[in-house]
Amino acid sequence: AQSVSQHNHHVILSEAASLELGCNYSYGGTVNLFWYVQYPGQHLQLLLKYFSGDPLVKGIKGFEAEFIKSKFSFNLRKPSVQWSDTAEYFCAVRANAGKSTFGDGTTLTVKP
Amino acid sequence: KAGVTQTPRYLIKTRGQQVTLSCSPISGHRSVSWYQQTPGQGLQFLFEYFSETQRNKGNFPGRFSGRQFSNSRSEMNVSTLELGDSALYLCASSLPGGSSYNEQFFGPGTRLTVL
Repeated sequence: AQSVSQHNHHVILSEAASLELGCNYSYGGTVNLFWYVQYPGQHLQLLLKYFSGDPLVKGIKGFEAEFIKSKFSFNLRKPSVQWSDTAEYFCAVRANAGKSTFGDGTTLTVKP
Repeated sequence: KAGVTQTPRYLIKTRGQQVTLSCSPISGHRSVSWYQQTPGQGLQFLFEYFSETQRNKGNFPGRFSGRQFSNSRSEMNVSTLELGDSALYLCASSLPGGSSYNEQFFGPGTRLTVL
């Protein structure tokens, strides 16, 4: 069975600080990896995804993530956060079509 | 292109009742998945339908059921509601192939409150 662990439940940063959110997954086979964001009062939106190839993937709004197969990790990064990045972030893995397994989410608060 | 729509957006029910939630996927999408989101359990997968067939199922009791129509619209039903069923129910659709690498597009959810 797949499982996803997000290490930080709540992160508080000041604007311009760098961000790294940890995500580790457990699954023996090939998985596809995703980061989603949920801004206050809005739908879940895809930030970025990894299927194969270059382990460093870039997404929207300056976010990127690195897939490290040996560590079963897919950490999300952003060099300089903005107040508008305040949201909840979810890491997800998908091995079976249509079924995503999500982490518990990390709430990011960016102080202006 | 219109996004995923879910109706109703809010529902209040009492214990023991049943409820039906509806999801209209993005035009052309044939895979529809349902998730339950709660503060304590996070986002949990309920089931997925593809071409009117249930293709994947999560670990929820049989009180939770669903179906998909020929136009890809989907409904989920919860019978004999319990207080613990209070949650945000999210629907997600993905591209026709329904492959695991296709992005899922999420709707706004239906907020169900069970009293």
